[in-house]
Amino acid sequence: GAGVSQTPSNKVTEKGKYVELRCDPISGHTALYWYRQSLGQGPEFLIYFQGTGAADDSGLPNDRFFAVRPEGSVSTLKIQRTERGDSAVYLCASSLVARQGSGAFFGQGTRLTVV
Amino acid sequence: AQSVTQLDSQVPVFEEAPVELRCNYSSSVSVYLFWYVQYPNQGLQLLLKYLSGSTLVKGINGFEAEFNKSQTSFHLRKPSVHISDTAEYFCAVSDLNNDMRFGAGTRLTVKP
Repeated sequence: GAGVSQTPSNKVTEKGKYVELRCDPISGHTALYWYRQSLGQGPEFLIYFQGTGAADDSGLPNDRFFAVRPEGSVSTLKIQRTERGDSAVYLCASSLVARQGSGAFFGQGTRLTVV
Repeated sequence: AQSVTQLDSQVPVFEEAPVELRCNYSSSVSVYLFWYVQYPNQGLQLLLKYLSGSTLVKGINGFEAEFNKSQTSFHLRKPSVHISDTAEYFCAVSDLNNDMRFGAGTRLTVKP
């Protein structure tokens, strides 16, 4: 596609529920990133994929968070047993690893609200 | 992993005045440096980036940044700001594998 697409744009869920957030990267981009942005904060790194594998998942806050990218394109961020503190905007970005320093292109984000 | 510190959380400035937004990074490997801008209710957009070569890089909307390796800094500057520059600005650093980390952001508010 023309840009990074994230769905849904907004998600309201009850505490304790399971949610999935989807990211469609720019076609051909092998690197994919997930960040979490709370109000007034910078993007907090969660996980970074190169192709299908997680090159760096050190930012995932705990084992309730998990992300997959089974075919090296679309990625899903999964959050189990959601807590109110998980409320934030979840950002996805992609880049072309073959072009070092190309920078990441961001989607509009999914605003998650846990009530 | 690499990290970024943005020294000012908020910078208020009057229209047509110059501005500098400060950024320092730390890394044990070679890095690339970026500035992103986020306008209210919009996504992150790339302003400019430093990869190699000239330490002064120019970006969109009249912004420029200077890479200083000895001071591990990448400060963003604009000689004359407009009301429309009001936004959140994020400095970011990536390693050679494009593993990218962001600073906490600086909110630039341009007043008439």
